[in-house]
Amino acid sequence: DAKTTQPPSMDCAEGRAANLPCNHSTISGNEYVYWYRQIHSQGPQYIIHGLKNNETNEMASLIITEDRKSSTLILPHATLRDTAVYYCIVRVYNNNDMRFGAGTRLTVKP
Amino acid sequence: DTEVTQTPKHLVMGMTNKKSLKCEQHMGHRAMYWYKQKAKKPPELMFVYSYEKLSINESVPSRFSPECPNSSLLNLHLHALQPEDSALYLCASSQKRAGARANEKLFFGSGTQLSVL
Repeated sequence: DAKTTQPPSMDCAEGRAANLPCNHSTISGNEYVYWYRQIHSQGPQYIIHGLKNNETNEMASLIITEDRKSSTLILPHATLRDTAVYYCIVRVYNNNDMRFGAGTRLTVKP
Repeated sequence: DTEVTQTPKHLVMGMTNKKSLKCEQHMGHRAMYWYKQKAKKPPELMFVYSYEKLSINESVPSRFSPECPNSSLLNLHLHALQPEDSALYLCASSQKRAGARANEKLFFGSGTQLSVL
């Protein structure tokens, strides 16, 4: 059973914010939300993770709803290099089990 | 050094061949992972080693045989593969500190593109 649901594809204009949604309605209290992305022909790259508070780093912001059933990854100023498949993953505390769902293919257009 | 190095980058093998994929990291990570990725699909977890011991085996066929000879190295031995095993094989590592919270990020290599003829 997929733990997360993401739209299969999204477009974004260069320089605009890209908002990528993820539903994880069955998330448990000890599960974190992780985001990775995979640019064509490369290995996945870690972006950000969170438990219940909003998080920000140099790459992106993660907004988690109060009930933790969904989250949004925000790329504040998308560039053409942000074109990639973005994966939202929920993972139990200190667990080796990192499994990828189908992801969202984000295309940033000039 | 935050790099996971996979060799070879490309491999073509026949169904009767024996070959090995190699993965190396020097970040002191104690968990290492193998994933298989078919074109336009997400990576699929195959094996996980934690402190050099196999902790997850996703019912992978025995023609794939993982090995973790030390904390820096991870091998995937291949024997009698089928054409449908052609895929990108990704290795990853994570710190896996004892008692650490689940804020461990995985570092991925660029993968080995395998073609089985």
